[in-house]
Amino acid sequence: RKEVEQDPGPFNVPEGATVAFNCTYSNSASQSFFWYRQDCRKEPKLLMSVYSSGNEDGSFTAQLNRASQYISLLIRDSKLSDSATYLCAVSPRDDKIIFGKGTRLHILP
Amino acid sequence: NAGVTQTPKFQVLKTGQSMTLQCAQDMNHEYMSWYRQDPGMGLRLIHYSVGAGITDQGEVPNGYNVSRSTTEDFPLRLLSAAPSQTSVYFCASSYPGEGETQYFGPGTRLLVL
Repeated sequence: RKEVEQDPGPFNVPEGATVAFNCTYSNSASQSFFWYRQDCRKEPKLLMSVYSSGNEDGSFTAQLNRASQYISLLIRDSKLSDSATYLCAVSPRDDKIIFGKGTRLHILP
Repeated sequence: NAGVTQTPKFQVLKTGQSMTLQCAQDMNHEYMSWYRQDPGMGLRLIHYSVGAGITDQGEVPNGYNVSRSTTEDFPLRLLSAAPSQTSVYFCASSYPGEGETQYFGPGTRLLVL
């Protein structure tokens, strides 16, 4: 089993819709969890960290489920500008971070 | 702050040539890492460093060397380039510890013929 797995998509959703992605991780001792956004031919940028209690940032909500070893990202009221690839990242220990392959999202007008 | 800088932006090599991809950061981050990104493969960790003088292998280290003589710089060396090393290379840095954001450089696009 790969350390971090994501559905590659693409997810094609109409503008204004709600969309959710999951990301599973294999190391139960993982400490830190993140969602990154990557636009075409650009570097990844942090979207949000994922905390045990769940957290929101505008229309984005991130959740952590340690029992089932996955993190999720929910995007409400999606906008055209939300079209991107979303990468989850997991730190199995303090000294390295492993990324998933990313999920491509296309918001359709 | 310039953040994380990478040079060159683009490079074309012939099989067997060697080169060094440069990465520098001015944020006094202890943790630095190199990733390669290929279509459908996501970001794969090549090598990383938790501080000057300390390096370790990631998921795909073969064919690459690194060194960390200063906090600021973390060069990646290709000893004998192969077409399989055609990729986009990203350098990243962060403070060590839980929950720390990684900051990425703009990437180096490498084509090996």
